[in-house]
Amino acid sequence: DGGITQSPKYLFRKEGQNVTLSCEQNLNHDAMYWYRQDPGQGLRLIYYSQIVNDFQKGDIAEGYSVSREKKESFPLTVTSAQKNPTAFYLCASSIDLAGEAEAFFGQGTRLTVV
Amino acid sequence: EDQVTQSPEALRLQEGESSSLNCSYTVSGLRGLFWYRQDPGKGPEFLFTLYSAGEEKEKERLKATLTKKESFLHITAPKPEDSATYLCAVHAGKSTFGDGTTLTVKP
Repeated sequence: DGGITQSPKYLFRKEGQNVTLSCEQNLNHDAMYWYRQDPGQGLRLIYYSQIVNDFQKGDIAEGYSVSREKKESFPLTVTSAQKNPTAFYLCASSIDLAGEAEAFFGQGTRLTVV
Repeated sequence: EDQVTQSPEALRLQEGESSSLNCSYTVSGLRGLFWYRQDPGKGPEFLFTLYSAGEEKEKERLKATLTKKESFLHITAPKPEDSATYLCAVHAGKSTFGDGTTLTVKP
């Protein structure tokens, strides 16, 4: 079955720690995205990548970093510089580099600061 | 700056009571308007893409329409399993999402 796999489903972070969220896709999509969702709100774009070894900042990139070393993988690191990291994080991919095709989403990672 | 506003924030219907969800947008150079369904604790699931004013698409009890300023998601004779949050997104270079409408359908 093709799809997007995010892990872990739940993640707890202590103050001052960096944590990395995994996102893997086997859809052969070039475009991949990371979104943040807070309760009662829509999705806000953190980073996106249209090709291996290249990525761009979205609307709320501060305190986050990404890498795209393989087409299938787009991990997100939440750094200690992110002051309010508790949220639901969603990874997505799309076949269309222009963004005119739909996005396929993973099941999300819920990050909580303890 | 691209903007998407969804209304109402929450909608409670009785089973079989038809209604519509609204998505108003302000964007330069719309490339597509997307509707997604999101269940609690899950990732959004794609429903429809609309590309130009006047376009309509249907799937089971759902019908999406598009004008130059807004899109409607019409739900005909909803069932409890239609309960979810419905997200609208516009794409003009990058995607901008609305905050969603949470639909609850009571049996």
